[in-house]
Amino acid sequence: DIVMTQTPLSSPVSLGQPASISCRSSQSLVHSDGNTYLSWLQQRPGQPPRLLIYKISNRFSGVPDRFSGSGAGTDFTLKITRVEAEDVGVYYCMQATQYPHSFGQGTKLEIK
Amino acid sequence: EVRLVQSGAEVKKPGESLKISCKGSGYSFTSYWIAWVRQMPGKGLEWMGVIYLGDSDTRYSPSFQGQVTISADKSISTAYLQWSSLKASDTAMYYCARFRGTYLGDFDYWGQGTLVTVSS
Repeated sequence: DIVMTQTPLSSPVSLGQPASISCRSSQSLVHSDGNTYLSWLQQRPGQPPRLLIYKISNRFSGVPDRFSGSGAGTDFTLKITRVEAEDVGVYYCMQATQYPHSFGQGTKLEIK
Repeated sequence: EVRLVQSGAEVKKPGESLKISCKGSGYSFTSYWIAWVRQMPGKGLEWMGVIYLGDSDTRYSPSFQGQVTISADKSISTAYLQWSSLKASDTAMYYCARFRGTYLGDFDYWGQGTLVTVSS
C-alpha cells in the first residue's frame, strides 16, 4: 500500500503571508497511463472535505488562484501565496494512482 | 448542479446492523464511482472503498474488507455503506465522494457526511 506523509502537521501563518505544505509518497505516483493522480483537499472546521487541486497542479472549479500545486514522482507541494482567514482548516494530500487509495495525515493551517 | 446527499445521523448499539446511503443527482450516476471515507473523531481521512455505478465493480481497503459492505442501486442513483454488526470503534463521520476515475483521478464532490454513533 502507498503511504502518504505530510509535513508539517501544523502550520501557523500570519494573514497575507505564504504557506507551503509538503507531501511525500512511499512509491512513485505515476500511473501506467502516464498520469499522476495526486490531489489536495481542504477541510474547513465542521465541513466535509473540498477538492482544491487534482493531478498535481490543476485547480478545481472555483478554487482561488492563490492555491497552487507542484511536484512529480514522490514529492509534492501545495502553496498558498497569501493566506486569508477563510483558509483555516486541515489540508490533505491524496493518491488515487493505486488501490487502496490513501490520504496523508493532514496539515492543520492556523492563523498566527 | 452535482449533489451527493447522505442519510441522517444514526445512534446504534454494539452488535446492531446499519445501512447508510448517498444519493447522487445532477450528473450521470452510472458514469462515475462513489467512494466512502471514514473520519473518526478528531482524526484524519481514511479511504474505505469505492464502487463503480456502471457495473458495481467494488474495491475495498484491506483495513475495511470484511468489516463493511459497499453496494448501490443505480435505479435510484444511490450508494450504500453497511455493517452487519457494529462496534463502538465504528463511531465516526462517514463521507461519500464522487471519484472521477481514470484520467482525472480525484474526489470532486462530497456528501455532507453521516455521523454514526455506536454506544451501549
